[in-house]
Amino acid sequence: ILNVEQSPQSLHVQEGDSTNFTCSFPSSNFYALHWYRWETAKSPEALFVMTLNGDEKKKGRISATLNTKEGYSYLYIKGSQPEDSATYLCAFSSGGYQKVTFGTGTKLQVIP
Amino acid sequence: DAEITQSPRHKITETGRQVTLACHQTWNHNNMFWYRQDLGHGLRLIHYSYGVQDTNKGEVSDGYSVSRSNTEDLPLTLESAASSQTSVYFCASSESAAGLNTGELFFGEGSRLTVL
Repeated sequence: ILNVEQSPQSLHVQEGDSTNFTCSFPSSNFYALHWYRWETAKSPEALFVMTLNGDEKKKGRISATLNTKEGYSYLYIKGSQPEDSATYLCAFSSGGYQKVTFGTGTKLQVIP
Repeated sequence: DAEITQSPRHKITETGRQVTLACHQTWNHNNMFWYRQDLGHGLRLIHYSYGVQDTNKGEVSDGYSVSRSNTEDLPLTLESAASSQTSVYFCASSESAAGLNTGELFFGEGSRLTVL
């Protein structure tokens, strides 16, 4: 079973603060690294899917980086807003794109 | 708009009963997945399918089965429900293709199952 670890487990930040989370994954046989945003009472929605070492992706105030050689990815949120409050899931696929294994997530609460 | 729907959204059943959760997608995706979500475990893969007549076991498949008779549907059956199967179940799908496809998952809204 592939082990995807996320830290921290939960995080409280003030509105306007910038923050980041970490995802670590096995570096062997890497195919893709996914980040999903999961709001309470909704279903997860994809933020980014990255496949290349050194990839950096950005969507508005949220960005992500990928290091496949050492097996980690960072998700950054600049100027956090209350609507950013959600659980952020990291997921990893190896040997092919189909089967995706999830971490337990980082729960972010942005305090107004 | 294409979508993925699950039914029922909420179900309460008794230990030992057979339960089927439906998943229907109109994305025309070949790949479909069932996950369960439990506190402290995140999303764990139960079963998955890469196409019609194909099914595979995930990491927590005991007590569950799936069948894939067409592209759109992947029903999940609990043969004899147990209290340990009380959970929220999510169905997901992804495209099947090489090249630019990165396997992004599209999720249904979840089905909350309580086994008494």
